[in-house]
Amino acid sequence: QVQLVESGGGEVQPGRSLRLSCEASGFAFNLYAMHWVRQAPGKGLEWVATLWYDGRNEKYADSVKDRFTISRDNSKKMLYLQMNSLRAEDTAMYYCVRDPLSYGWFDYWGQGTLVTVSS
Amino acid sequence: DIVMTQSPDSLAVSLGERATINCKSSQSVLYISNNKNSLAWYQQKPGQPPKLLIYWASTRQSGVPDRFSGSGSGTDFTLTISSLQAEDVAVYYCQQYYNSPWTFGQGTKVEIK
Repeated sequence: QVQLVESGGGEVQPGRSLRLSCEASGFAFNLYAMHWVRQAPGKGLEWVATLWYDGRNEKYADSVKDRFTISRDNSKKMLYLQMNSLRAEDTAMYYCVRDPLSYGWFDYWGQGTLVTVSS
Repeated sequence: DIVMTQSPDSLAVSLGERATINCKSSQSVLYISNNKNSLAWYQQKPGQPPKLLIYWASTRQSGVPDRFSGSGSGTDFTLTISSLQAEDVAVYYCQQYYNSPWTFGQGTKVEIK
């Protein structure tokens, strides 16, 4: 069955960096666009970044552009999110999600990894 | 950016009764190319990630009970739970995927009356 398992979250000081990872299994990872979606504590959902199946096309929310970088290693079935210059407002649960047809809806979600940015 | 606005923010419905959640987009999300509306609905239970219920505004995801249905077109959409069950207590989100940034509604909390 499809599984997405995030890791790499934790508490970090403002201005520092963190790298999130997502291990995919149960499907042909190299055929799917993948996204990161986040949710601040007690708040709604915010799309963060997208990377197409071949790693050639990426998109970012304005709130993270130039600070976050999404990448993937199809040979390892891994998705990554490099987060630099972290801010308090980046505090959230970060979900790795699969896009079934590259349209932009999300059919499988990981359990999430919590990032807390605090001094 | 397309702004998604849900109403109400919360609602309480008796078991077995109908629950209706509305979602309005700031511009049409109708794809002319396939005449489908780029609108999805998710359910999020406490402590869990969201779960896809519906895409293309009215297509139920595999395994989703048929008491969940989606309707609407253009800018106005509705998620209906025809007969509320205890396990349907959750927050429901609509999301447009017409163009990026893909955006969500603020969520509607459904509780038992």
